[in-house]
Amino acid sequence: LAKTTQPISMDSYEGQEVNITCSHNNIATNDYITWYQQFPSQGPRFIIQGYKTKVTNEVASLFIPADRKSSTLSLPRVSLSDTAVYYCLVAHGAGGFKTIFGAGTRLFVKA
Amino acid sequence: DVKVTQSSRYLVKRTGEKVFLECVQDMDHENMFWYRQDPGLGLRLIYFSYDVKMKEKGDIPEGYSVSREKKERFSLILESASTNQTSMYLCASILAGEDSNEQYFGPGTRLTVT
Repeated sequence: LAKTTQPISMDSYEGQEVNITCSHNNIATNDYITWYQQFPSQGPRFIIQGYKTKVTNEVASLFIPADRKSSTLSLPRVSLSDTAVYYCLVAHGAGGFKTIFGAGTRLFVKA
Repeated sequence: DVKVTQSSRYLVKRTGEKVFLECVQDMDHENMFWYRQDPGLGLRLIYFSYDVKMKEKGDIPEGYSVSREKKERFSLILESASTNQTSMYLCASILAGEDSNEQYFGPGTRLTVT
């Protein structure tokens, strides 16, 4: 099962673009890459998912290079409310069986 | 609006007690998961279930068991609670067979074993 490596923490300022990179060297052919956001005292919340190239939704963009050994979550123009822990995980195809959450990246957005 | 609920937000139990944590989802999802979350360790999968009465061990099943008698309900059981099981427990569910890995999480149960 592919494990992920992310920075432990990052700081940013309001209005900046934030890029969080995740390494997943052992990703399997049928693994998807998924990112979650977690606020204190809440369960994680799905942000975005991709398999290859670029995916964009109303919240974030996900960049995946051709070798798929890493991915980058991009948050445009962050605000104070984006302060949270962000998890990158890889999962076997649909259904998310035996997903592996890493320790996550704690993003702190300052005014 | 999709919903995953957990029976308690906070729970305090004594060492050796049998503890039941219950999770209910109203989305008719086949797959359900139990995780525990500890500082610096992220979420670790304890057990998952892909159908009624079906279960699979996750990464840290020792000291835990599960029960899935109905599709909407997935219970985590600590047969004899120990202090090292003090943690945040999170339940999640997901629809099987879809392309998305979007798990829906409950609010969590913070269990303290004294």
